[in-house]
Formats: sequence, structure tokens, C-alpha cells
Amino acid sequence: DTEVTQTPKHLVMGMTNKKSLKCEQHMGHRAMYWYKQKAKKPPELMFVYSYEKLSINESVPSRFSPECPNSSLLNLHLHALQPEDSALYLCASSLSAFGDTQYFGPGTRLTVL
Amino acid sequence: KQEVTQIPAALSVPEGENLVLNCSFTDSAIYNLQWFRQDPGKGLTSLLLIQSSQREQTSGRLNASLDKSSGRSTLYIAASQPGDSATYLCAVSPNSGYSTLTFGKGTMLLVSP
Repeated sequence: DTEVTQTPKHLVMGMTNKKSLKCEQHMGHRAMYWYKQKAKKPPELMFVYSYEKLSINESVPSRFSPECPNSSLLNLHLHALQPEDSALYLCASSLSAFGDTQYFGPGTRLTVL
Repeated sequence: KQEVTQIPAALSVPEGENLVLNCSFTDSAIYNLQWFRQDPGKGLTSLLLIQSSQREQTSGRLNASLDKSSGRSTLYIAASQPGDSATYLCAVSPNSGYSTLTFGKGTMLLVSP
């Protein structure tokens, strides 16, 4: 089973809302990632977690707050977003954070009004 | 800073043709290179991963080659089918530190019946 699941599939939120994106994998992977992808652009790395610890934050604004409660679950908490934050948010996981194949989830399509 | 370029940006072929997608990268200090497929509005599906010590990898009708010293990779698709229509992305990970994938902008492939 090489499945990474993400919920919700679609999310529409106002600029004052607080919402969360969820990502789950049950492959025993110890590295998890958040990417942001704008239309017709490649994915851009946001965060890397390795063994449930935040290892990389690619200078992401604080209105995005990641959380890794356990090795199978990754959340992205959203607060006070801007319309330009509308994008496809992709989660990925890999066995380790060093050179292993990354498996991607289907993404959450986020629209900020 | 690593830069990844994919040529062509778009490609349209009739069903049954063999085709080649190109990927080049500026820094040869890579750990591996991955080819992904992305259907519109969906997540990424990993197709092939080539370690830096390898020259090629094959999966079904797909064959990916890697020439690390010249900073090039090709994805060969044999006997293309309409179901192959998608955007194909290549991504490289550095040979030190975390697997922070750098993606190319992709090649949008359309295979017509």
C-alpha cells in the first residue's frame, strides 16, 4: 500500500477563518512533507518533518502552521490567509528524509476568498 | 542554486508513437532523480526513481536514463496511448542533507487517438 490520503479534497475559506488540512499515511514512513502548487507551476516545498520533528521550513509565512502529532499524521493549520494563498496543497511521505522515493497524496484544493 | 529545465513544455502526438521527454539540471551533485506524472488537478504519481549511480531505470513502457555528469535525464515512452496524457515532472534531490526536491516546470503531453 503506497497511499497517502489528504482531507478535505476542496476547501473554501475567508481571510478571517481558521481551518486545517490533514494528511495521513500508514506505510511506516518517517518523513512527511507539505508542498504548495499554483496553477501551471511545479510544486514548491514548504515544510519537511523527519521523525515527527520539523526539519525544514522554507521561509513559509506564519499564517501556515504545520503539526506532526505522530508518525502517520501531518496537519497544516491555516489562519488569516490571503487570496494569493489559493493553491493545491500536496502532502508527501518517504521512508526517510534522505533520498527515498516520495509518495504524494491527491492534494487539497484551497480557495481563499 | 539547483535549476531544473524540461523541454518541451508541451507535446502532442498521435497514439502509438514513441516519444522522449527531456530534463536538465544545473548542479550535478544530486542524490537521485525522480520522474512524476500529474493528471489535471490531481496529486503526483511517482513513475521512476534513478539513483545517481545508475544509468537507467525501466518500468513497463517507460524508460528513464540519467547522465549525471552532463546534467541530463530523458524519459522514453514507448507506444504512447491516450491514457498517457498528463503533465510529466522531473525532480532532483541533493546529495547531502534532506531530500528537498527541486522540480522542473513539466512537459504537458497530449496523446490523441
